[in-house]
Formats: sequence, C-alpha cells, structure tokens
Amino acid sequence: DQQVKQNSPSLSVQEGRISILNCDYTNSMFDYFLWYKKYPAEGPTFLISISSIKDKNEDGRFTVFLNKSAKHLSLHIVPSQPGDSAVYFCAARATQGGSEKLVFGKGTKLTVNP
Amino acid sequence: NAGVMQNPRHLVRRRGQEARLRCSPMKGHSHVYWYRQLPEEGLKFMVYLQKENIIDESGMPKERFSAEFPKEGPSILRIQQVVRGDSAAYFCASSLDRDTEAFFGQGTRLTVV
Repeated sequence: DQQVKQNSPSLSVQEGRISILNCDYTNSMFDYFLWYKKYPAEGPTFLISISSIKDKNEDGRFTVFLNKSAKHLSLHIVPSQPGDSAVYFCAARATQGGSEKLVFGKGTKLTVNP
Repeated sequence: NAGVMQNPRHLVRRRGQEARLRCSPMKGHSHVYWYRQLPEEGLKFMVYLQKENIIDESGMPKERFSAEFPKEGPSILRIQQVVRGDSAAYFCASSLDRDTEAFFGQGTRLTVV
C-alpha cells in the first residue's frame, strides 16, 4: 500500500522556468511533510518541510504548498537551475506511538536543461 | 561538524555470509533511523532507535535482520545469512530529537553475489 505517491517518475524543464513536483498521500494521520533531493550514489539531502498546520512554506527558490483537504502537496522551484537536476523524494511523517518514521514516495527525477 | 557517517560505502557479500553496516550519527544526535532503497524504489523505513533502545522496528524483516544503537559507538544494522534479495542501498539518518529534520548519510551499497 503506497501511502505517499509521486505519480510522475520524471520531469524535464528549461533553465529559468518553474519546476513543479507533485505528491499525494492517503494517510490522514500524517502531520509533517518533507522534500529531499538525491544525487546518484549519495544520501538524500533535506530541502524543505511543512507542518500540517500550514499551507505554504518558502525558502529561497523553493516553496512547498500543502492542500490538506486534497491530501496533496507540491514543491515549486523557481527559477530552475541545471544544478537542481536530481531525484526529489516527498516524505511524510507518521507519528504513531512515539515513532517518527518517514514514509517516502518513489521519487521524481528532475532534469533541468540549460 | 561532521555529517552522518556510514561505512563501508560498498559491501560485497556471498550468499549466506553476514553483513554489518555501521552508522555514526551527527554529533549530539541521539535518534537514528535505518532505511533501505531497492532499485527504482523509494526509501523504505526499517527501524528507529534511540540510544540503547529500539523505538520502532515495524519495517524490519522478521528474520535475519537486527539493529542496535549502543551507549557508546555507532549504530549497527546486521544482516545474517544474506540472500540476493538483500542487495540494496541502506541509508542511515539521524536527528537531534523527535521534532527536527533527519539528516542522511551517504549510504552503504550492499551487493550479495
């Protein structure tokens, strides 16, 4: 049962344009959402997060939007740069009995073309 | 401040051998998580530990896998009698406490031949 879904395996955008990565979740108990960026042969790097009490969080070129009623979040990168090319993972936290484990989507591979 | 350190980066084991993966969390972090990534998949939670305690092991296979985080030293993920299906990238993450972001290590790529 895939509780966090990233339905687009890949996305290609032109440098300078906006990249929009989408993520859907099914578990209404998730209360915290994170985006990680991953380069090949490296570990995921934390990018940005959002609590379920908010609907938007911004950090420089990165903005995450949360629509709780739709169980949907998205990551906007603007302007996109070639160095942003990587796999982006959406993750959600399920707080159950003290555990803070993250549930990850399968990732979206972003390619930013010069 | 060094990040999360995992070693070895690459590990090759024959079927039936044991694999030991080590993770040193960031300085001051007492929460450790282990995740496994199979090819073309996202990261799957395995186990969450605090010093000397297993908090959540709901993602651990019932047999052959164990994890520990002793008072002194790194966290260890141990896989006994490895099989080809254990081949994957294993990532460790640590956090300062329950409510802060987890930082990942570079992973250990286990190959079972």
